[in-house]
Amino acid sequence: DAKTTQPDSMESTEGETVHLPCSHATISGNEYIYWYRQVPLQGPEYVTHGLQQNTTNSMAFLAIASDRKSSTLILTHVSLRDAAVYHCILRDGGNEKITFGAGTKLTIKP
Amino acid sequence: NSKVIQTPRYLVKGQGQKAKMRCIPEKGHPVVFWYQQNKNNEFKFLINFQNQEVLQQIDMTEKRFSAECPSNSPCSLEIQSSEAGDSALYLCASSLMGRRVFFGKGTRLTVV
Repeated sequence: DAKTTQPDSMESTEGETVHLPCSHATISGNEYIYWYRQVPLQGPEYVTHGLQQNTTNSMAFLAIASDRKSSTLILTHVSLRDAAVYHCILRDGGNEKITFGAGTKLTIKP
Repeated sequence: NSKVIQTPRYLVKGQGQKAKMRCIPEKGHPVVFWYQQNKNNEFKFLINFQNQEVLQQIDMTEKRFSAECPSNSPCSLEIQSSEAGDSALYLCASSLMGRRVFFGKGTRLTVV
């Protein structure tokens, strides 16, 4: 099964831009890259997803490498509410399998 | 926002007791997943369903866990004889085929 690798933790300051990396070197052609975030005592919340092209929405910008072996979630002007564990996962729609990494714990300083 | 409903939010059981948790997937979603998340935020896939049929499950699920997703009733996950190592956050999720997955808030099981 394809796996993702993320740093255990990262730290930033309010108002800064954060780049959260994810490595998925064995990703297959039909796997989408999804990002979720999770705060304590809650289930994961959808942030964004992509297949090949960079994507953007109100929550984040997702940059996908041209070879698709890595991606970066970019959060701009972070606030204390962005503190969470960010999970990079691969979604194979062909057989309904989801592969999770351990996630990156993002800490935001005032 | 997710409309996956999980009950109860918290569950405390003694070792050897049955533990049962329920999940109402988002309306119209045929695919349901159950995951176990440990204190290190690591996810373990348990089982998934398409409508009422099991798609995939791991060995642990076959032996001590039972799960079902009957039509017109909540899905459920039951641990027949709870062990201390089963203490975790159990997450239910649902989706359309191959599309975005929506998670519930989870059931926090503590086995004492």
